[in-house]
Amino acid sequence: EDQVTQSPEALRLQEGESSSLNCSYTVSGLRGLFWYRQDPGKGPEFLFTLYSAGEEKEKERLKATLTKKESFLHITAPKPEDSATYLCAVQARKGGADGLTFGKGTHLIIQP
Amino acid sequence: ETGVTQSPTHLIKTRGQQVTLRCSSQSGHNTVSWYQQALGQGPQFIFQYYREEENGRGNFPPRFSGLQFPNYSSELNVNALELDDSALYLCASSKDSIGEQFFGPGTRLTVL
Repeated sequence: EDQVTQSPEALRLQEGESSSLNCSYTVSGLRGLFWYRQDPGKGPEFLFTLYSAGEEKEKERLKATLTKKESFLHITAPKPEDSATYLCAVQARKGGADGLTFGKGTHLIIQP
Repeated sequence: ETGVTQSPTHLIKTRGQQVTLRCSSQSGHNTVSWYQQALGQGPQFIFQYYREEENGRGNFPPRFSGLQFPNYSSELNVNALELDDSALYLCASSKDSIGEQFFGPGTRLTVL
């Protein structure tokens, strides 16, 4: 069974204080790993897709990296508007269901 | 380009009733996936529709059913509602069954 574990569950940072969020996964053949941002009461907003170990993607203050067992979302000099829940999901290479398996998310708060 | 839309925004039902939720996919997308997100949890995959056929299903009972129409919009039907069905229901569309999934704003269902 595919599993995704995110840590920490919650993280409070000062504005400008860089940090990293972790996503550990077990999957029977990774097709893709996805990062989403979710604001309270809203649908997840797509951030990145990573397909193979060693791959990196960047967008503004965010950088996602991937190894064979985990992914990191690095946040550099965050601002209060980066406050949200960050979700990690995997999609497995298999026949049948092509749904995403999500972790519980990391609730990030950036204080001014 | 129009994004994924869902209706209604909120819904209140009583136990035992039936509900239909609707989703319009993003322009150019032929695949719709449905997820259930309980409070404080990551989304859980219900099922996926690809070119009007169910393409895969998560661990949800048969009282959760769906349809996809020729314009690729979709419906999620839930029969015999239970209290535990209270959640945010998310629809995501993608260019194909393995593509990146883009989410709508969700429908908040409350079962009393």
